[in-house]
Amino acid sequence: DAGVIQSPRHEVTEMGQEVTLRCKPISGHDYLFWYRQTMMRGLELLIYFNNNVPIDDSGMPEDRFSAKMPNASFSTLKIQPSEPRDSAVYFCASSLSGKAKNIQYFGAGTRLSVL
Amino acid sequence: SQQGEEDPQALSIQEGENATMNCSYKTSINNLQWYRQNSGRGLVHLILIRSNEREKHSGRLRVTLDTSKKSSSLLITASRAADTASYFCATDARSGNTGKLIFGQGTTLQVKP
Repeated sequence: DAGVIQSPRHEVTEMGQEVTLRCKPISGHDYLFWYRQTMMRGLELLIYFNNNVPIDDSGMPEDRFSAKMPNASFSTLKIQPSEPRDSAVYFCASSLSGKAKNIQYFGAGTRLSVL
Repeated sequence: SQQGEEDPQALSIQEGENATMNCSYKTSINNLQWYRQNSGRGLVHLILIRSNEREKHSGRLRVTLDTSKKSSSLLITASRAADTASYFCATDARSGNTGKLIFGQGTTLQVKP
């Protein structure tokens, strides 16, 4: 398996623009997580899904952020409109419940710069 | 607040020395995990210790868990320059196995050749 795949790896956009980050989890995993990492705030959990259903979105900072998981192999995180303070590295991770004991597998991340 | 808090925040050692990082957490857990993050990369799982275990080894890694103190330590023996990375502990809540992990702020380790 290729692991968790995120795209794009880097995104530079201007304030006010819509940004869409994409994630393909490991095949067969039933949990998908979106994190944001900054120097100031560390690693923050934004939202996570179980079997494509959002379970906890309490970490989503504002209504400008939304996430979807239309099927088991794809998820998006959208920011509209984007602001400079959204600049961060966004990670997607997936895990398999049960005997795997919730070990999470991370993608390489998307580095977002909002100018 | 974060479930896991690492100590120290940063650590610099010479190659060949041992590195010890500590993690404290607040609630009862099922297990505790340690992850490594190389610069510009995603986190990678290193080792998992269950709440009923006190010590676990994996290669040059040794993890201890003290549930009475709600703390864990990660020891890297005979460190190498390639061990330079940030290390995070992560815990899951015992009540309701939601699949969610709480990550600490991490310890940045620099191993000088």
